[in-house]
Amino acid sequence: NAGVTQTPKFRILKIGQSMTLQCAQDMNHNYMYWYRQDPGMGLKLIYYSVGAGITDKGEVPNGYNVSRSTTEDFPLRLELAAPSQTSVYFCASSYRGTSGRNEQYFGPGTRLTVT
Amino acid sequence: AQTVTQSQPEMSVQEAETVTLSCTYDTSESNYYLFWYKQPPSRQMILVIRQEAYKQQNATENRFSVNFQKAAKSFSLKISDSQLGDTAMYFCAFPTGNQFYFGTGTSLTVIP
Repeated sequence: NAGVTQTPKFRILKIGQSMTLQCAQDMNHNYMYWYRQDPGMGLKLIYYSVGAGITDKGEVPNGYNVSRSTTEDFPLRLELAAPSQTSVYFCASSYRGTSGRNEQYFGPGTRLTVT
Repeated sequence: AQTVTQSQPEMSVQEAETVTLSCTYDTSESNYYLFWYKQPPSRQMILVIRQEAYKQQNATENRFSVNFQKAAKSFSLKISDSQLGDTAMYFCAFPTGNQFYFGTGTSLTVIP
């Protein structure tokens, strides 16, 4: 079980460039999430998905897009990168039944710098 | 609105001593779960402990335990016999609906 994997681990972008952060999980989790973590701060939810084909905005969705065509994959697209998007990005997944007891499993993060 | 508050941005503790990290939350739900996550310098988020709100008994995992006060909506984490490897950011988290809400974190330093 690889758990939650993210690629790349590090990336430097120039202002205006675009890129896709990849996220995959092999635990058959129905829920997946994307967070950003700015230096010394907590996690802010960008987008989440409750199943294949279903996505919804979180707290800070502007400048990002997602898709969920399969249960396993949940890529995050940055269009027209801006310095404000410099951050560490975490992907997470969980199995959410009606009880809500299951924790989130996190990937190792992607450190993105926009200059 | 669901909120999670950690009022201690930074804390330190001597090795082998005990430290308590505070967390308060706001909810109108009666049955829910609460989590503490640890983020060491490696940045990997690691689950420390989980508490079920309908259980009166406080959760314990080895040196980690919680003090859960449902009426006060308080969920503190106690670390006993602190070790150097406990140095990390600690986040309190509260899942509700389709989302997890995280506190802003407490940076804990264990001093040798």
